[in-house]
Parts: sequence; structure tokens; C-alpha cells
Amino acid sequence: DIQLTQSPSSLSASVGDRVTITCRASQTITTSYLHWYQQKSGKAPKLLIYAASTLQSGVPSRFSGSGSGTDFTLTISSLQPEDFTTYYCQQSYSTQITFGQGTRLEI
Amino acid sequence: EVQLVESGGGLVQPGGSLRLSCAASGNTFRIYSMNWVRQAPGKGLEWISYISSSATTHYVDSVKGRFTISRDNAKNSLYLQMNSLRAEDTAVYYCARMTISSDAFDIWGQGTMVTVSS
Repeated sequence: DIQLTQSPSSLSASVGDRVTITCRASQTITTSYLHWYQQKSGKAPKLLIYAASTLQSGVPSRFSGSGSGTDFTLTISSLQPEDFTTYYCQQSYSTQITFGQGTRLEI
Repeated sequence: EVQLVESGGGLVQPGGSLRLSCAASGNTFRIYSMNWVRQAPGKGLEWISYISSSATTHYVDSVKGRFTISRDNAKNSLYLQMNSLRAEDTAVYYCARMTISSDAFDIWGQGTMVTVSS
């Protein structure tokens, strides 16, 4: 199975900050199959970015994704109050789909 | 906009069974692959099962032989039959639609809670 390791597991930041979350895969993943989700407490996850760098419709442009091979990043350019929540990466390259362990973004 | 609504969760004893349902709105359900994802209390997301539009299935190892995913395109519905339930199956269970282009999960249900306890 492809393991995804997110770093950091938690991150303290302030409104207006620029932050980057990293997702490292245990083997090479085609960029088309690496995705990022946001999950607020008690709610279903929401797709933010698919295929490593494509913004899902309706997602603010302060979110961006990049990367290739085994290393991928999610960047939030200027944190807003509603962005302080948990983020997950996911790979659907393998038939055994996996998620990263999550990154909790805290004020 | 397509919506997914799960049902069927509840409290069940260890070793028991439960069947989850996921009802989709709209008329495009049949062309999409679907998935079940669960989240144990305070934990991260865990993918557990996939079914393609042509009913090919995949499972995470921890549920193989115990859980069965199925779909009824005529009823716009996805199912998860869960047998031999264990305490570690306690979680919120989400159904999620998979995009055709990149296999991302673009639409999720609200989740249904399954508690396995005596």
C-alpha cells in the first residue's frame, strides 16, 4: 500500500500568514491522483484540490497545490479565520486508496 | 447539485451486522464510481471500499471478507453490508462520489455513525 505522511501534524499560525503543508508518498504517484481535502469539525470532508494542483470549483484562490513524484504541498497564501481546521492529502493512484494522517491548523 | 444521504447507522453488538445505505439525488449516479470512507472518533479518514460503475469492487484489508459494497443504479443507491462487526469498526461512515477524470472524491454524504459495543 502507498503510505502518505503529512507534515507537520499540527501547525500554529495567525490570520494573514502563508502556510505550507507537505504530503510525502512512500512511492511515486502520478500527479493526477493526488488530492487535498479540508474537514471542519463534525462535517464531511470537502475537496479543495485535485490532481495535485487543480482548484476545485468554488474553492478560494488562496489555496494552491503543487508537487510531483513523491512530494506534494498544499499552500494557503493568506490564512482566513475559517481556514483553521484539518487538512488531508489522499492518493487514488493505487486500488488501495489511502489518506494522510491529517494536519491540524490552529490559531 | 447532486446530494448523497447516508442512513442505517446505529448501535450494534460485537459480531453483529448492519447495512448502510447512501441515496443519491439526480440521474447520473450510474456513471460514477463510489466509495465508503470512515472516521473513528478523534481519528483521521480511512478509505474502506470502492465500487466502479460496472460493479468492480476493492476493499481495505481490515474489512475484506466482512464488508460487502454494492449498488442499485435503478434506485440511485449505494450500500455497505457490514458483518462480524468489531469495536474497532466504530466510526462515522461516509459515502463519497469519485470523479471520472482524477478519481478524487468530489461529493460526500453527511455521514452516519456506527457504534459497535456490548
